[in-house]
Amino acid sequence: AQTVTQSQPEMSVQEAETVTLSCTYDTSESDYYLFWYKQPPSRQMILVIRQEAYKQQNATENRFSVNFQKAAKSFSLKISDSQLGDAAMYFCAYRTSWDTGTASKLTFGTGTRLQVTL
Amino acid sequence: GAVVSQHPSRVICKSGTSVKIECRSLDFQATTMFWYRQFPKQSLMLMATSNEGSKATYEQGVEKDKFLINHASLTLSTLTVTSAHPEDSSFYICSARDRWTGGGTVSQYFGPGTRLTVL
Repeated sequence: AQTVTQSQPEMSVQEAETVTLSCTYDTSESDYYLFWYKQPPSRQMILVIRQEAYKQQNATENRFSVNFQKAAKSFSLKISDSQLGDAAMYFCAYRTSWDTGTASKLTFGTGTRLQVTL
Repeated sequence: GAVVSQHPSRVICKSGTSVKIECRSLDFQATTMFWYRQFPKQSLMLMATSNEGSKATYEQGVEKDKFLINHASLTLSTLTVTSAHPEDSSFYICSARDRWTGGGTVSQYFGPGTRLTVL
């Protein structure tokens, strides 16, 4: 079974600075998807960024980028120019590449709470 | 973007009663819906996967008779917590997956969640 590990329960960053959240995973598959989700105090899950394992290029979405190291099974999230609105729980998630029914379920890490200070 | 709604957003019930939570995909057809449970300051734990028109697949340790899931249409799935007890108090989140149309990766969209409190 796949597992996702986030070793940082809490992180803090000053506004406008850069922070990196860590995520490692374990899988025997060669093709899969990795995600970072944000959960603000409203509890609504928001997709931040997605990475396909077969792509070597790291995904980027505006201020958010990932460092995907497939051999090391590492998938970190970098947030640049941090803003107060970035404060939230961040979850790393894994999904197999199979696209049907139960196979498309997400496996989540334990989350990292990000605080943004002035 | 695609919208998933949940109703109710909050529910308080007495111990021993049953509670139904609805999950709807508002602007797309969802072949698969997922039900998660989230305790305070913890991660999302998948409870079950439901496919339209078929029985739900429950994760290990989840009681099928206690958490009844019905996915009667492509836009609606329901989770019924039967004979609820205080330990069932939690935040329940559903997500819905787009119908696969033959190209690319289908997306999964999350509802806003339902806070259940059992007294």
